[in-house]
Amino acid sequence: AQSVTQLDSQVPVFEEAPVELRCNYSSSVSVYLFWYVQYPNQGLQLLLKYLSGSTLVKGINGFEAEFNKSQTSFHLRKPSVHISDTAEYFCARWFQNFVFGPGTRLSVLP
Amino acid sequence: DVKVTQSSRYLVKRTGEKVFLECVQDMDHENMFWYRQDPGLGLRLIYFSYDVKMKEKGDIPEGYSVSREKKERFSLILESASTNQTSMYLCASTPGGLGEQYFGPGTRLTVT
Repeated sequence: AQSVTQLDSQVPVFEEAPVELRCNYSSSVSVYLFWYVQYPNQGLQLLLKYLSGSTLVKGINGFEAEFNKSQTSFHLRKPSVHISDTAEYFCARWFQNFVFGPGTRLSVLP
Repeated sequence: DVKVTQSSRYLVKRTGEKVFLECVQDMDHENMFWYRQDPGLGLRLIYFSYDVKMKEKGDIPEGYSVSREKKERFSLILESASTNQTSMYLCASTPGGLGEQYFGPGTRLTVT
């Protein structure tokens, strides 16, 4: 079965520090990957997506992710986080349907 | 502006009640989805629909049914609510298989 793993359930980080949220997927011929963010009491919104082409994908709010086929990873990064980035982040892949990881709760501390 | 709305933000129901959760999208999307979200489990697909009057089971359809009589509306039905169906329910729509999913704000259902 296709799966998505997010190794860290919670990531605390100080404001203006860099952050990396990890995502690994089970291998497949075709890989389409997404990162979504969920702010408190809201639905999910798309941060970025990888469908093909450049392995470095830039998204909204200064986030970027790198598709690494050999390591089956799609880690999300931001060089300097803000308090407003506090949210839950979900990695997802498309394979016949969307499959979501369990989520990583990012807490940005002042 | 793209919009997916859900009929209730919070809902409290009793065990055994029949529960209807409504989702409406205004983007003329073909595909609509119902997920439940639980801590540590992420989003799990309950049902989806690729067209009016069509429905497909997702990963956890037991205890749920759906209805799609109009393109813009996708309803999730709990025939006899149970306490283990207490959860956050999220509706989403997409114009195509690889398109971005647009999510509603969610309905937090508590079954007592």
